[in-house]
Order: sequence, then C-alpha cells, then structure tokens
Amino acid sequence: EAGVAQSPRYKIIEKRQSVAFWCNPISGHATLYWYQQILGQGPKLLIQFQNNGVVDDSQLPKDRFSAERLKGVDSTLKIQPAKLEDSAVYLCASSIRLAGGNEQFFGPGTRLTVL
Amino acid sequence: AQSVTQPDIHITVSEGASLELRCNYSYGATPYLFWYVQSPGQGLQLLLKYFSGDTLVQGIKGFEAEFKRSQSSFNLRKPSVHWSDAAEYFCAVAPTSGTYKYIFGTGTRLKVLA
Repeated sequence: EAGVAQSPRYKIIEKRQSVAFWCNPISGHATLYWYQQILGQGPKLLIQFQNNGVVDDSQLPKDRFSAERLKGVDSTLKIQPAKLEDSAVYLCASSIRLAGGNEQFFGPGTRLTVL
Repeated sequence: AQSVTQPDIHITVSEGASLELRCNYSYGATPYLFWYVQSPGQGLQLLLKYFSGDTLVQGIKGFEAEFKRSQSSFNLRKPSVHWSDAAEYFCAVAPTSGTYKYIFGTGTRLKVLA
C-alpha cells in the first residue's frame, strides 16, 4: 500500500513570495491533516479535512495560509505571502476516517526555508 | 489549557541499555495517548497508543508504554536499545470526542552510543 505522498520535499523562497505544497493521502482515507513543525517543536495542526469539508482550521493563519481539498482526495496548502517565521517542515497526514482511535499516517514532509 | 510535556529534550544511551522517555499531559479528562517516532527526513510513525483497559501497552519495535492516571503520565520504555532506535520521539494526546485533534509534545531526541 502506498503511503502519504508530498511534494516538493524541499523549497527555498524569499520572504513575501508565495509557495504551494501538495499532498496525496493513502487511498480511501477520508481525513486529511496539515501540520507545521518548527525546528525544535512538535507538529502543530494547521487544518483538518473530512472528505472535502474543513473540520478544524482554528490554528491556520488565514491572512496568509489557505488550503483546499477538492474532490476529497489530494490537497494543497498555500502560503502567500511568506514570512521568515514560516520556515518549518510541513507535514501531511491521513487517517481512514475521523475517529479518535484511528492512526494518522504521515508523509515525509516538505521542508520550507524562507530567506 | 491542554498540553503535553516531554521534559527531556535530548537523551543519550549506550546500545543495549534500557530506555525510558517521559511524557506528562494536562487534560480535562483522560485522553487518547500516543507515541510516535520520527527518523531524519521521515514522517512520523506510530509506535503505540492507549485508549482504555490495560495500562501497559505494547507497541512495535519492542517498545512499551505505561499509563499512570494518578501522575498524568505515559512513559515510553524499551529494555534494550538498538543503534537503529536513534530518532526523535513524540508523545501526543487527543480528545475522545469532537475533532480528535492531536496535541504533540516538543519531542525527545535519542542518541545511541555504539
């Protein structure tokens, strides 16, 4: 079974530029998550989708971050414009459905450096 | 406020020695509890989880964890560490209803000496 796919793996941009990350979850997984992991910290949930609907986006900086999951499969996370403090690893995860007992499967992440 | 504390940022052990990684949480009720491992350049992989029942849970790669309600702790243990266990370990909690949103600790980086 293929795991969670993310691209690109690395991205370097200048501040105020825009950037987009792509995630393809495990086939059949209804729930998709985007996390931000700043160096030295644990992952922080940015947004959580159930199929193509948003379940939780309370920690998403909506003035600059946006995410969508059209057709309830793959997803994109965009930052526009980027700030220095956005430098982090962006992790995508999926689970079979929204339930506390379900394991979240993580992709390898996209490491973003903002100069 | 809900939080997860992993008091040890770095731990170094010799190969073959025992290991205990600490995790304490602050939560309104007993949450779901998880331990994940992250190797360099990799995503997180679930080691084990606790929902209810037996407070000693077994996971993959020879790891186990013990839930202690009175101490709000969920410590991870391994009797004999292998060099391949060098990685970063994260404790996480999630509520038992609602959005099941994970809250992660800051992680413990494990170094294994040959």
